[in-house]
Amino acid sequence: QLQLQESGPGLVKPSETLSLTCTVSGGSISSSSYYWGWIRQPPGKGLEWIGSIYYSGSTYYNPSLKSRVTISVDTSKNQFSLKLSSVTAADTAVYYCARLRITMIVVAWGQGTMVTVSS
Amino acid sequence: DIQLTQSPSFLSASVGDRVTITCRASQGISSYLAWYQQKPGKAPKLLIYAASTLQSGVPSRFSGSGSGTEFTLTISSLQPEDFATYYCQQLNSYPLPFGQGTKLEIK
Repeated sequence: QLQLQESGPGLVKPSETLSLTCTVSGGSISSSSYYWGWIRQPPGKGLEWIGSIYYSGSTYYNPSLKSRVTISVDTSKNQFSLKLSSVTAADTAVYYCARLRITMIVVAWGQGTMVTVSS
Repeated sequence: DIQLTQSPSFLSASVGDRVTITCRASQGISSYLAWYQQKPGKAPKLLIYAASTLQSGVPSRFSGSGSGTEFTLTISSLQPEDFATYYCQQLNSYPLPFGQGTKLEIK
């Protein structure tokens, strides 16, 4: 059964770079049937699409975050990663990694990891 | 960008009730809409995609309808496990926004 697990620091200082990794188990990240993505949810608020990546490395980023976001994939480790630079308190959120159908429907989610931006 | 507006934002209902949540898009999105359920402290779960297709394993009391700019999620007979927050998401064009959510509470 497919599992996605986020990992990374739970506390990041303002102006620094948030880095998270999603490890995929029970399925191949190189599958041609899926994209892989990141979605976040500030405390008590709704969901925000961050971006997605195909195993080939093709990416899409939310324009509101595009200047600060990089999503990459490591097929040898069955992982994909998120980097968000110049973070502020507004980037405090639960970050979810996800598997997406080609149509971008989110069909599987990681459990989520809380990242707090604070000095 | 396409905006999604869900109504109501909060809904209080009883077990056994039939409830309907609406999601309106700021411009037409054909049937490129999905619905998710989220319980506190958990990741969302896909319920419906393509506006009306039930995801495998989701109880048949959930149904979706609509196309263009207006969509609905209906729960035919509320069960205790259905009290949660529901989100719509448009999949027609980037940046693939979600609605603001509808919190369904027990009356």
